[in-house]
Amino acid sequence: GAVVSQHPSRVICKSGTSVKIECRSLDFQATTMFWYRQFPKQSLMLMATSNEGSKATYEQGVEKDKFLINHASLTLSTLTVTSAHPEDSSFYICSAPSTGDLGEKLFFGSGTQLSVL
Amino acid sequence: AQSVAQPEDQVNVAEGNPLTVKCTYSVSGNPYLFWYVQYPNRGLQFLLKYITGDNLVKGSYGFEAEFNKSQTSFHLKKPSALVSDSALYFCAVRDSGGYQKVTFGTGTKLQVIP
Repeated sequence: GAVVSQHPSRVICKSGTSVKIECRSLDFQATTMFWYRQFPKQSLMLMATSNEGSKATYEQGVEKDKFLINHASLTLSTLTVTSAHPEDSSFYICSAPSTGDLGEKLFFGSGTQLSVL
Repeated sequence: AQSVAQPEDQVNVAEGNPLTVKCTYSVSGNPYLFWYVQYPNRGLQFLLKYITGDNLVKGSYGFEAEFNKSQTSFHLKKPSALVSDSALYFCAVRDSGGYQKVTFGTGTKLQVIP
C-alpha cells in the first residue's frame, strides 16, 4: 500500500528556534497534503492544506507566518514552525489523499512530537 | 458545514465480546465516511470507508461498519474483540464534492479487557 513518510518523529527544541517537519509520499504523487495538529486526548485539528506549486490554504485561526508550508514537489511538503514557543508543543501529523487505484482515502505520516522548552 | 460526533470518549469491552463504536455525521451532500485507528504516538491508519453501494462495509482486521442514511450514522463494529484492538478510533466524513477536506470526530478510546 501507499506510504507517507514523516520525519523527524520527535524533536525537542529551545524556545525561539525554528523546526522543520518533512512529509513525503513514497510511492504516489500528492498534489495536495494536509497538516494536522493533535493535542492529547483530542481530535485532529486541520491546520492547512498544502498545494503543490501554489500557496497553502490555512484554516481560520492558524498563523500562516508562524507555520510556514512549502509543497516543493509532488512528493514533498514541509511544515516549518518558526520562532517556536512552549505553546506550540504538540503532535503534528501530515496526510496525503489518494484516489484512483488506491481508492478514496487518506494516508497518514507517523507524526512528529514537538516539544519546545 | 460538515461535522462528526463520536458520543463516547471511551468504550470498554471484554475480549471475545462484540464491540460497537458509535459515529453520527452531518454533511450537506452525499457523505464519504471513514474509520481510522491510531496507536499511541503514531499516525492514523485507514480501516474502512463508505462511498456508495452496500450499506455494510467490511474493512481491515475484521472490522465492519454500517451506513444508515436515515439515522446519519456510521457505527464501527467487530463480532469478537481482541486485546490488540485497544486503540483510539476516529470517524471522519467529507462531502462528495470536489474539495477533499475531511472532518474528524473527537475519537473514541477502545479498551479491550483480557
